[in-house]
Amino acid sequence: AQSVTQPDIHITVSEGASLELRCNYSYGATPYLFWYVQSPGQGLQLLLKYFSGDTLVQGIKGFEAEFKRSQSSFNLRKPSVHWSDAAEYFCAVGGSDYKLSFGAGTTVTVRA
Amino acid sequence: NAGVTQTPKFRILKIGQSMTLQCAQDMNHNYMYWYRQDPGMGLKLIYYSVGAGITDKGEVPNGYNVSRSTTEDFPLRLELAAPSQTSVYFCASSFNRPSNSPLHFGNGTRLTVT
Repeated sequence: AQSVTQPDIHITVSEGASLELRCNYSYGATPYLFWYVQSPGQGLQLLLKYFSGDTLVQGIKGFEAEFKRSQSSFNLRKPSVHWSDAAEYFCAVGGSDYKLSFGAGTTVTVRA
Repeated sequence: NAGVTQTPKFRILKIGQSMTLQCAQDMNHNYMYWYRQDPGMGLKLIYYSVGAGITDKGEVPNGYNVSRSTTEDFPLRLELAAPSQTSVYFCASSFNRPSNSPLHFGNGTRLTVT
């Protein structure tokens, strides 16, 4: 069965500082990996995705993520956080079927 | 372009009541999904549909029903509401399978069953 673990429930970061959100997955084959962001009161929006090829993927809003097969990880990073990055972030894993499995989410608070 | 529209935004139900959560998309997507989001649990797939007339169960289908008579609409039905169904419900759609195209989410319906 596929699953996703996001070890950090809540992270607080200063504006301008770097951010890294952890994601570990379990999947029996080559996974498709995603990061989604949810702003308060909104639905989720896709930040980036990994299917194959280059293990460092770039997304929207200045985010990037690195796929490490040996560690079953897909961590999300941003070099310099803006106040508008305060949101909840979800990692998801899927295969070639119709189902995505989401992690429990990490809430990011940005302090001035 | 409205995207994915969910109604209502909020609803309070008494135990045993029934209701339908509405979901409509105007992007001509074939694939549609219903998720529920509970604190600390992430999103769980309730039902999904790969086209009009075709639906299938997700991870947590018990207590829910769906139909897909048109490409645009994918309503979710709760027949006998229970407190365990208190949650935030999200409808989503995609052009192709999630592995090939992103999910577009509605803004959610917050349901409380008391």
